[in-house]
Amino acid sequence: KAGVTQTPRYLIKTRGQQVTLSCSPISGHRSVSWYQQTPGQGLQFLFEYFSETQRNKGNFPGRFSGRQFSNSRSEMNVSTLELGDSALYLCASGLAGGSSYEQYFGPGTRLTVT
Amino acid sequence: GQNIDQPTEMTATEGAIVQINCTYQTSGFNGLFWYQQHAGEAPTFLSYNVLDGLEEKGRFSSFLSRSKGYSYLLLKELQMKDSASYLCAVFSGGSYIPTFGRGTSLIVHP
Repeated sequence: KAGVTQTPRYLIKTRGQQVTLSCSPISGHRSVSWYQQTPGQGLQFLFEYFSETQRNKGNFPGRFSGRQFSNSRSEMNVSTLELGDSALYLCASGLAGGSSYEQYFGPGTRLTVT
Repeated sequence: GQNIDQPTEMTATEGAIVQINCTYQTSGFNGLFWYQQHAGEAPTFLSYNVLDGLEEKGRFSSFLSRSKGYSYLLLKELQMKDSASYLCAVFSGGSYIPTFGRGTSLIVHP
């Protein structure tokens, strides 16, 4: 079974631009969560989608948004990029999410904002 | 809010046993996870504890004491490939939003 895939793997953007990251979950998984990982803050939860609905949301500004499609693929968008948004963005999929704890992470998208 | 503490770094010898501690202060505890993350790679799930006690899975075991806000991950028969960062994460506040510790970097030397 193929794992979680994320595209692109690397991205360089300029401050003020916007970016869209994509995540394809493991086949059959309906939950997709997004995380930001930085050396300073560690791994932080952004949001979780399940059956095209945002089910949980972390403490990030509204510039961070996402959506999930009917095939469970998910996209994350960051608008008006700031230097501090430079991070590794990880997506994880699970069968049901929520209390279903076992998640499988993708390789991540390394975003650099200059 | 939630507060999760883990040691920043630990070193151990190949073949030995190491215990990585995690303490947390949260409200509405819903479960605790451990993940392993090798440098430059994504985290991989190791264990989940929601009830007190020890869960064993091969060379890895995880323990939880909810009354003490304490967990540990025990790694036996250490191998060089166990050199990685180990992340403790907690579901709390009546939700299933995970809060992660900063991770413990384990270095296994020959």
